[in-house]
This record gives sequence, structure tokens and C-alpha cells, in this order.
Amino acid sequence: GAGVSQSPSNKVTEKGKDVELRCDPISGHTALYWYRQSLGQGLEFLIYFQGNSAPDKSGLPSDRFSAERTGGSVSTLTIQRTQQEDSAVYLCASSLVLSGNEQFFGPGTRLTVL
Amino acid sequence: SQKIEQNSEALNIQEGKTATLTCNYTNYSPAYLQWYRQDPGRGPVFLLLIRENEKEKRKERLKVTFDTTLKQSLFHITASQPADSATYLCALDRLMDTGRRALTFGSGTRLQVQP
Repeated sequence: GAGVSQSPSNKVTEKGKDVELRCDPISGHTALYWYRQSLGQGLEFLIYFQGNSAPDKSGLPSDRFSAERTGGSVSTLTIQRTQQEDSAVYLCASSLVLSGNEQFFGPGTRLTVL
Repeated sequence: SQKIEQNSEALNIQEGKTATLTCNYTNYSPAYLQWYRQDPGRGPVFLLLIRENEKEKRKERLKVTFDTTLKQSLFHITASQPADSATYLCALDRLMDTGRRALTFGSGTRLQVQP
């Protein structure tokens, strides 16, 4: 596709349920990032993938959060046993190389945990 | 602790004037700094990147300065237009504990250009 796509665009779930958020990066981009943005706040780094290297998970807020990237392309962010404080917009970005190059962002998934 | 500060108050200016947004940082030694624009309900869009050895970068009506001594970047939009109204985010690269580099974003400044 022409840009980064994310699905779903909106997700409402009940506290305690698991959710999966999907990111389809720009074809050929080797680096993929997940961020979280709470209302009126900046972007909080969660995790990134670079090529076939082990992902950098240092930004994940708890062990309820995990992500995988299959075949170096599509990525899925999974949140287990969701809590109300997980409510936020989850943004995915991709870039050609890890350092320096501009990041291309998807439209985000708005997660609401009731 | 590491901190990136952008003015949380909205900046309101008249059309045609120059908008100047500030990004200050502490306890970082970034190799480069980026500016992004974010419209409501959308992901950020890259605008400019400036490296630590560059003092100034221009792109059309945009100008970015980077002062590593003051630990500050200024983002200017000349001849501003109502269409420039958005939130502007600065982002610094940083060396993480894992030895890799990643971007850290400021919380952004909302710009409102009045016609």
C-alpha cells in the first residue's frame, strides 16, 4: 500500500479482555515502531523491530503487552487482561532504516477499555 | 532525568505572521532532531530533520534551528496560513539502555493560525 495502515481504527473492550492491534508497514521498510499516545500527551515509545534482529521491548509498560512481526512485515501488538489505563491511541510507524530516517505513521487505533 | 519540553499552551497567531515553536531538552545528546506535524485523529507526519552538526535547515516556509549548547531547537513557519493549524511535535534520538537508538517525542505545541 501507499502508506502505513492499522486496524481496527477503533476498539472498545471490557476490562480484563485481550486485544490485538494490527499494523501493516510500508513495503520495504525494515524498521517498525509501536507508540502509545494518551489524550493531549506526546508519543510513548513501546517497542521496535529492525529487520531480523530481536525486537527492542524496553518501552513496554508491563508484561501484559507483547508484539510480534511476522515475515518482517505485518506486526501485531497484543494487550492481555486490558486495564482502563490502557485506553489510548496506539500508533505504528515504519522507516527505511533504524536511525535518522523519517518515520511514517499510520492513523492509529483508538483503544477504549470500559 | 531526560526531559523534552515543548510549550503546552497553544500558540495563537494571525495569518501571515511567523510562528515560532520551541523545543528544549535536558540530559540528552541527540545526534539529530526531527519535527512532526499532527492533525486531530491522525498520525504524525514528518516535516524536517536536523543533525547535531547543522545549525539551520530550511524547507519551503519552514525553518529549524538546532543549538546543542543551549539544548534547544526552534521551529519557524513564515507567512503562516490557517492550514498550518495543527500540533507540532519535536523528537530527539536517544541511546537506549539496550545500546540501540530510538526517537523520544515531546508532548507537542498546538498552533492556531487565525484568518
